[in-house]
Amino acid sequence: GQNIDQPTEMTATEGAIVQINCTYQTSGFNGLFWYQQHAGEAPTFLSYNVLDGLEEKGRFSSFLSRSKGYSYLLLKELQMKDSASYLCAVRDSGTDKLIFGTGTRLQVFP
Amino acid sequence: DAGITQSPRYKITETGRQVTLMCHQTWSHSYMFWYRQDLGHGLRLIYYSAAADITDKGEVPDGYVVSRSKTENFPLTLESATRSQTSVYFCASWLGDRDTGELFFGEGSRLTVL
Repeated sequence: GQNIDQPTEMTATEGAIVQINCTYQTSGFNGLFWYQQHAGEAPTFLSYNVLDGLEEKGRFSSFLSRSKGYSYLLLKELQMKDSASYLCAVRDSGTDKLIFGTGTRLQVFP
Repeated sequence: DAGITQSPRYKITETGRQVTLMCHQTWSHSYMFWYRQDLGHGLRLIYYSAAADITDKGEVPDGYVVSRSKTENFPLTLESATRSQTSVYFCASWLGDRDTGELFFGEGSRLTVL
């Protein structure tokens, strides 16, 4: 089975940096995903890590350590529009199922 | 390019009725998924399909039926709806390419069971 943990809520200030952590336990691993979801909308893809290390994409970066079962999403230069839920998900290598954590709701304040 | 579409977007039904949520994708993606999203639970996988005529259970399949007679369609049926199935349902598709791995989501179907 799979177990994915991430904080329920976080707050941050506009212009700041925030790090959202995700830990996972899985019987088979084939990639870790981060999605952003604004209230009332569908999730949208942010990043995909399959190898250890940091992937940078503009203001967003994602890090993976497979040996530690750990990932984080780093958001820089926060903007009000970054207020959303951030979903961590892991792909099972045997079945290709994508299993999501419960999500982290981020509120950005002026 | 329509992408992935769900219908209906909103549905109110009564306990015991049969309801079918439709999902259609225009990309010829191999994989399709159905998730439900509830407060406190995040996205939970109901069923998924790796190709036409191949389906498999996810985390919460009880009370749901799926079929995949054509690659582009993946309907989800609640044979006898219950109040606990009130939720937002998301369909998603994936090419099957592990180099990118991105799932594309439909806009969601909000179902209320009275």
